[in-house]
Amino acid sequence: NAGVMQNPRHLVRRRGQEARLRCSPMKGHSHVYWYRQLPEEGLKFMVYLQKENIIDESGMPKERFSAEFPKEGPSILRIQQVVRGDSAAYFCASSPRLTGGVETQYFGPGTRLLVL
Amino acid sequence: DQQVKQNSPSLSVQEGRISILNCDYTNSMFDYFLWYKKYPAEGPTFLISISSIKDKNEDGRFTVFLNKSAKHLSLHIVPSQPGDSAVYFCAASAGGGNKLVFGAGTILRVKS
Repeated sequence: NAGVMQNPRHLVRRRGQEARLRCSPMKGHSHVYWYRQLPEEGLKFMVYLQKENIIDESGMPKERFSAEFPKEGPSILRIQQVVRGDSAAYFCASSPRLTGGVETQYFGPGTRLLVL
Repeated sequence: DQQVKQNSPSLSVQEGRISILNCDYTNSMFDYFLWYKKYPAEGPTFLISISSIKDKNEDGRFTVFLNKSAKHLSLHIVPSQPGDSAVYFCAASAGGGNKLVFGAGTILRVKS
């Protein structure tokens, strides 16, 4: 059973370019979460999605960042017009749909974005 | 506003001894707590969790203790092994919600 897949693992962009980060959840998981980790810090929640729905985007910057989880295909985190401060590790997590209780989130290996 | 705090940036322990990692939280709405382990250049790996209705949960060498009145939880690893050397993150969620709030992490080094 493959885990959460993220690609690319490393991404280099120049200021002003677009970055697209992809996440395929674990088989059977229908919930996807994106987190960002800046150097020397913990992970910070960005957005929580289910198929074709954004459930909670309270951690997303208001501009330049967007996320989607289409009916078919991976979840995409898009950062437009990247700036140096966007350099970070971006982690995706997934969890199964449960009828009750709290769902444990399982993380992918991350995408390390470097903005030059 | 740091709602989850791990005040020890690092901890060094001898192989075979107990490792105790601590975590404090400020949000009384948190009702589910998790510990993750992270190696460099990898994603966090889930270790163990505890619901606020319990004060202890055990899984093999790992035990998590929750003290709700003190808003404090700890992870005990016994016996510690060199392969346990990693960064350990405490995380919390509130009200069945799915947003995890993470601490800054504690680097554990287990010396052989």
